[in-house]
Amino acid sequence: GENVEQHPSTLSVQEGDSAVIKCTYSDSASNYFPWYKQELGKGPQLIIDIRSNVGEKKDQRIAVTLNKTAKHFSLHITETQPEDSAVYFCAASGNNAGNMLTFGGGTRLMVKP
Amino acid sequence: EAGVTQFPSHSVIEKGQTVTLRCDPISGHDNLYWYRRVMGKEIKFLLHFVKESKQDESGMPNNRFLAERTGGTYSTLKVQPAELEDSGVYFCASSHLPAGTEAFFGQGTRLTVV
Repeated sequence: GENVEQHPSTLSVQEGDSAVIKCTYSDSASNYFPWYKQELGKGPQLIIDIRSNVGEKKDQRIAVTLNKTAKHFSLHITETQPEDSAVYFCAASGNNAGNMLTFGGGTRLMVKP
Repeated sequence: EAGVTQFPSHSVIEKGQTVTLRCDPISGHDNLYWYRRVMGKEIKFLLHFVKESKQDESGMPNNRFLAERTGGTYSTLKVQPAELEDSGVYFCASSHLPAGTEAFFGQGTRLTVV
């Protein structure tokens, strides 16, 4: 089955700096790669996703890149703000009927004011 | 539009007891998923319903876990009898058909077995 590795597990940046979180996946059949943000006491919330027919996608301060050949994808957050502090999860889903997500281990991002 | 709602938000039970978690998906969402996160590790898939039918229950850890979705609306996840290793946060998510559309997560139920 699919295996998703996520790095780093914790990331501390200064407000205004950029943050990059990287994930690798094992199943070449995976074709959907969402990123979730989980704030304290809340459930994971989708912030951006990318499909395998696209190499890069951007939404304001966040962007995701996908390298299908190398089987890795990354989340980029620019001009970080304290409210970006949360746990971020990458996930991958293959071409299966149920679209079950396989998650990475999570990255705790701390943005220091 | 109401989001995915889970009850209770927290549950503390003793080893050997029974606990039932409930998930109310977004109205009209036929896909319903259960996931759990144990001890700060990754979020792992448990099972998937399409309407009232179990589509995939390959992630269910053992037969102490029983999920139902009567009438294709809300779902319950029962753990009986609970063991210490069942402690963790249980998430429910729902999405429209077909599969591949965005999944919306509930806030989770934190289960502590003592």
